[in-house]
Amino acid sequence: EIVLTQSPAILSVSPGETATLSCRASQIIASNLAWYQQRPGQAPRLLIYGASTRATGIPDRFSGSGSGTDYTLTISSLQSEDFALYYCQQYSIWPPYTFGQGTKLDMK
Amino acid sequence: QLQLQESGPGLVKPSETLSLTCTVSGASITHSDYYWGWLRQSPGMGLEWIANIHYTAGTYYNPSLQSRVTISMDTSKKQFSLRLNSVTAADTAVYYCAREYGANLVSWGQGIKVIVST
Repeated sequence: EIVLTQSPAILSVSPGETATLSCRASQIIASNLAWYQQRPGQAPRLLIYGASTRATGIPDRFSGSGSGTDYTLTISSLQSEDFALYYCQQYSIWPPYTFGQGTKLDMK
Repeated sequence: QLQLQESGPGLVKPSETLSLTCTVSGASITHSDYYWGWLRQSPGMGLEWIANIHYTAGTYYNPSLQSRVTISMDTSKKQFSLRLNSVTAADTAVYYCAREYGANLVSWGQGIKVIVST
């Protein structure tokens, strides 16, 4: 089973600034990686798939990058609604799909 | 517009079977592009994928749960279901159903909280 490690666990950033979230896989996952946002009391929402493709309706301030085992989610011009939990998910080798433990994006 | 709605008991006794149903509206459950899945989320385990099903391609299970889990589909009712046997307190979680496209979880239900307790 592929293990995903997200860092940092908590990231404090001011509105209007840029947040950079990381996800590292225990083995090469060939860009078979997705990112999800979860706001309090809500289900996760797909943001990025294929490591860098935005899902339908996702603003372009969200971008994904990476390859091999290391992936990044960048959120620029942070808005109040962006402060939430973020998870990465791999689907390179499944079952099972596996998720990182999450990064909480806090408002500074 | 696609909607997924989980239903089932919010409280299950230890050693019993947890049964949940997801009702799909606004989309075809027999569309060949989609799998339909169950996941859960707990403070201790984070997000955990449980299983998925395709109306013709079959089922896949998380190996860690496979011995206790069954996923099934009723296309006439536009529903798919989860059964988890021999539950313990560790199975306490919010359970989500979701539509999968290309292994991405593109649509989610609102979730149902299930507590395992006497």
